[in-house]
Amino acid sequence: EVQLQESGPGLVKPSQSLSLTCSVTGYSITSNYWGWIRKFPGNKMEWMGYISYSGSTSYNPSLKSRISITRDTSKNQFFLQLNSVTTEDTATYYCARGIRGKIFDYWGQGVMVTVSS
Amino acid sequence: DVQMTQSPSYLAASPGESVSISCKASKSINTYLAWYQEKPGKTNKLLIYSGSTLQSGTPSRFSGSGSGTDFTLTIRSLEPEDFAVYYCQQHNEYPWTFGGGTKLELK
Repeated sequence: EVQLQESGPGLVKPSQSLSLTCSVTGYSITSNYWGWIRKFPGNKMEWMGYISYSGSTSYNPSLKSRISITRDTSKNQFFLQLNSVTTEDTATYYCARGIRGKIFDYWGQGVMVTVSS
Repeated sequence: DVQMTQSPSYLAASPGESVSISCKASKSINTYLAWYQEKPGKTNKLLIYSGSTLQSGTPSRFSGSGSGTDFTLTIRSLEPEDFAVYYCQQHNEYPWTFGGGTKLELK
């Protein structure tokens, strides 16, 4: 069974970088697409970006200057880095498998990240 | 970006009833719409994609319809486990965007 698990700090200071890890079991990240999605307080959800089976990436233009998604295939993990965070980046962050990068059939439980000094 | 608007935001119903949730896109997305179910303590579940295609494992009481800008998720004969939050998401045009969610509550 495909399982995803997010991990990372729950509190980040403004202007710093947010870094999260998604550990995948039951499926190789060298197949398919692997994305990050966040849900803000109030339930608005935003697709952030993905990394493909080949290592190519695609990002939401709203984040393009601040986001980086990378991977470690030896550990079957992929990573999110979001730079220069503000309080508006406070959200629950999810990793997910994306069919063709755009239909999300397996999700992690989500990790809540608060940006606060 | 394509804006997705769901209605209602909240919906109260009883087991055995049928309910419908609407999702409207700000421009045509053909039939490229997915529906997800969110429940506390569980991972989000893909129910339907491409407007009406049931994901493997989705009970047949769930159905999706629509094309262009107007879509509907219908749940026939509600079961206790169906009370959850439902989101729509367009997968026609990059960047993919989500609706604001509909909370289906027990009446």
